[in-house]
Amino acid sequence: GAGVSQSPSNKVTEKGKDVELRCDPISGHTALYWYRQSLGQGLEFLIYFQGNSAPDKSGLPSDRFSAERTGGSVSTLTIQRTQQEDSAVYLCASSFNPESPLHFGNGTRLTVT
Amino acid sequence: GENVEQHPSTLSVQEGDSAVIKCTYSDSASNYFPWYKQELGKGPQLIIDIRSNVGEKKDQRIAVTLNKTAKHFSLHITETQPEDSAVYFCAASPPPSGGSYIPTFGRGTSLIVHP
Repeated sequence: GAGVSQSPSNKVTEKGKDVELRCDPISGHTALYWYRQSLGQGLEFLIYFQGNSAPDKSGLPSDRFSAERTGGSVSTLTIQRTQQEDSAVYLCASSFNPESPLHFGNGTRLTVT
Repeated sequence: GENVEQHPSTLSVQEGDSAVIKCTYSDSASNYFPWYKQELGKGPQLIIDIRSNVGEKKDQRIAVTLNKTAKHFSLHITETQPEDSAVYFCAASPPPSGGSYIPTFGRGTSLIVHP
């Protein structure tokens, strides 16, 4: 079947605007993660969803960042009042269960001008 | 929380040589150690993983070793080929805590294989 799908693949926005990034995980995967990858950097954890449990938001860098997962499937990461330091690749991953390997999408490259 | 250190940050080898990437972790409770390969413009893809009840695992030209006592694990690629050129990430996952199971990643190694 299809892998993890993210949209858009690229997003350019002006400083101060809000953006929404979408993730379609692999069907049947209960765990969903968002990571951020800045140029030449590693993977910074943002938020984790597992089934119907409350999400682990411990990695969100500020209250401008939020995410939701509807119906245990599609997830949206929202960044309000974007800043230039938000420019990065935002990666979504899903896994069959929490102790299974992660399957990553190709990411959304966000550029804030 | 878990802290993962990865070295080297850049590794340049000649085609046919071996490449070794090393990672250390801080949380002795971590029990799952995957390795991911990220090609340009794509997301990381799992290439091999190892759990803490195993010391070594091989898959063709790729092998991973784990030393739980020293809290380090390594990726070994033999007979490197130009298509092995990519960024490689190690990760360590502790057991679930409070319902969360979150892998911590190293900062990545850029492997360049020269023809």
